[in-house]
Order: sequence, then structure tokens, then C-alpha cells
Amino acid sequence: AIQMTQSPSSLSASVGDRVTITCRASQAITNDLTWYQQKPGKAPKLLIYGASSLQSGVPSRFSGSGSDTDFTLTITSLQPEDFATYYCLQDYNYPFTFGPGTKVDLK
Amino acid sequence: QVQLVESGGGVVQPGRSLRLSCAVSGFTFSTYTMHWVRQAPGKGLEWVGMISYDASNKNYADSVKGRSSISRDHSKNTLFLEMDNLRQEDTAMYYCARGMSYSDISGFARDAFDLWGQGTMVTVSS
Repeated sequence: AIQMTQSPSSLSASVGDRVTITCRASQAITNDLTWYQQKPGKAPKLLIYGASSLQSGVPSRFSGSGSDTDFTLTITSLQPEDFATYYCLQDYNYPFTFGPGTKVDLK
Repeated sequence: QVQLVESGGGVVQPGRSLRLSCAVSGFTFSTYTMHWVRQAPGKGLEWVGMISYDASNKNYADSVKGRSSISRDHSKNTLFLEMDNLRQEDTAMYYCARGMSYSDISGFARDAFDLWGQGTMVTVSS
């Protein structure tokens, strides 16, 4: 199975900060990478698919980039509602695998 | 409205079986691949398995393979996950999710999870 890693595992940031989260795959997965946001007690929410395509209704401050093994989720100008845990998922082949998550909290 | 509603969770003894359901409404269930994802308390997300729109293709995580089965009933707009020989490590919130098909850079159809249920909690304990 493809292994996914994320860094950092957590970060503290302030409203208005630019935040970057990295996801790495153990083998090349072209652009078959999605990003999810999860808030405590809630189901995850799709943010980005195909590594860089913004899901409908997601604010444009979220963006994704990367291909093959290295991917990035960027939040420009962090908002109060963005404090959450973020997960990447490879949908290149089965079994799909999630990264361990990155928790973004308030500095 | 468009929604997924899971049910069937609860407390189960180790070694027993359980069937989870995911009732679908607001979209044409029979045209979507569906997935199950779980999350142990305080832990990250784990993909459990999938079933294609016509049930012709199923795939499972190694952690549940051989003791789990995903099925669907289009007449009832319901997705199912049956798990046998439950273990303590199966304790988790179980989510069903809809697979949104998109084309990757090579033109292959891939899935992103665009709609999620609220989850149903399964606790395996004696």
C-alpha cells in the first residue's frame, strides 16, 4: 500500500497568516491527491481534488499544488473557521490511504 | 435534500458481527461509487473500502479484508458494511462517503469524497 506522510503534524498560527501543509507519497501518484478539512465532532469536508482543483463552494484562499510524490495545501490569510485538522488522501490506487493529519490551531 | 445517514453502530463484543447502513437521499444513488471511512477515537482517518456504482467492483483495506463485505441495495437507496470477527481495533466512528468522479492528469477516472454522512459509532468491547 502507498504510504502517505504529512508535515508538520501540528502548527500554531494566527488569523491572517499564510499556512502551508505538505503531503508526501511513498511512490508517484501523478496528481491523484485530495485534501480534506475536519473539525472536531464533524465529518470531513472535501477541499481540493486532483491535487489542485478547488471543490465547489470552498473559499479561494485554499489552494493545492504538486504532483508525483510531493504535494502542498496552502491557506492564504487564515480565517477563524479554518482552525481544524487537514488530511491528504491518495486516490491513485487501492487501498486508498490517508495521511496522518495536520492540526492547525490558534497561536 | 442531499444527504447520507449512517446507522447500525453500537457496542459489540469481540468476535461478533455487525452490519452498518447508510441511507442515501437527494441524488441518484445507483450512479455513484460509494466508500466507507472510519476514525478511531482521537486518531486519523482510515479508508475502509469501496463499492462501484453497479457493485461489480469492491476493494477493502488490508485491516478489514477477508472479514468485511460492502454491498448496496438500489431499491432501498442504501449502502451496507458488514464486518465479522470484530476486534477492539475496529472501534471507530464509521462514515459513508460518496465518490465524486474526476479525471486525473492521465485521463483516468478517480474518486474524491464530496459528500459524507454524520457517522455511526462502533465500540468493540467485552
